[in-house]
Amino acid sequence: GESVGLHLPTLSVQEGDNSIINCAYSNSASDYFIWYKQESGKGPQFIIDIRSNMDKRQGQRVTVLLNKTVKHLSLQIAATQPGDSAVYFCAENTGRDDKIIFGKGTRLHILP
Amino acid sequence: DTGVSQNPRHKITKRGQNVTFRCDPISEHNRLYWYRQTLGQGPEFLTYFQNEAQLEKSRLLSDRFSAERPKGSFSTLEIQRTEQGDSAMYLCASSLDSPAGGTQYFGPGTRLLVL
Repeated sequence: GESVGLHLPTLSVQEGDNSIINCAYSNSASDYFIWYKQESGKGPQFIIDIRSNMDKRQGQRVTVLLNKTVKHLSLQIAATQPGDSAVYFCAENTGRDDKIIFGKGTRLHILP
Repeated sequence: DTGVSQNPRHKITKRGQNVTFRCDPISEHNRLYWYRQTLGQGPEFLTYFQNEAQLEKSRLLSDRFSAERPKGSFSTLEIQRTEQGDSAMYLCASSLDSPAGGTQYFGPGTRLLVL
């Protein structure tokens, strides 16, 4: 069935280091993937997206990698800062009316 | 600020009462979505609108739930005869329909606590 999952529920990273958050998806028909950041008490905030015809996309301090062969998605955050502390969700768009399916999320802790 | 807004931000109610939440999407967005999020979980799709038409409803949306978007702009989500299991964050998102798919932008959510 359709599912989006994350390998690790919690990730602790030293401030200044790079963070890598992983995600697996199971629906090979999904053609659009999104990473959201959610801080405590707030709604999900769009970070970056990637379409299935790409394998890499870069934003400001963030990079998303897509490996369609193994149905794997990752979010790389460069030079992690305290403000990056949040829960990160990957989400997949199955192409039906922009309906997206979220995974359970990874909590990113920044160590001083 | 031209983002998605939701009101109220918090709602505490007693079991059996009715509650209504409002969502104002980004002005040019024609699609509007409602999600529910419980602690430690990702948002779960409830329903969505294209303009004023409600096009899909999740199985999660019981008969006690109703959503409207009468003029294709703001939307309301009403829960009748609330139950403790309805306690959750209710999120609204909007997007602009496009052939390549539109990115959904979320509001801050309404946190509901049913006592």
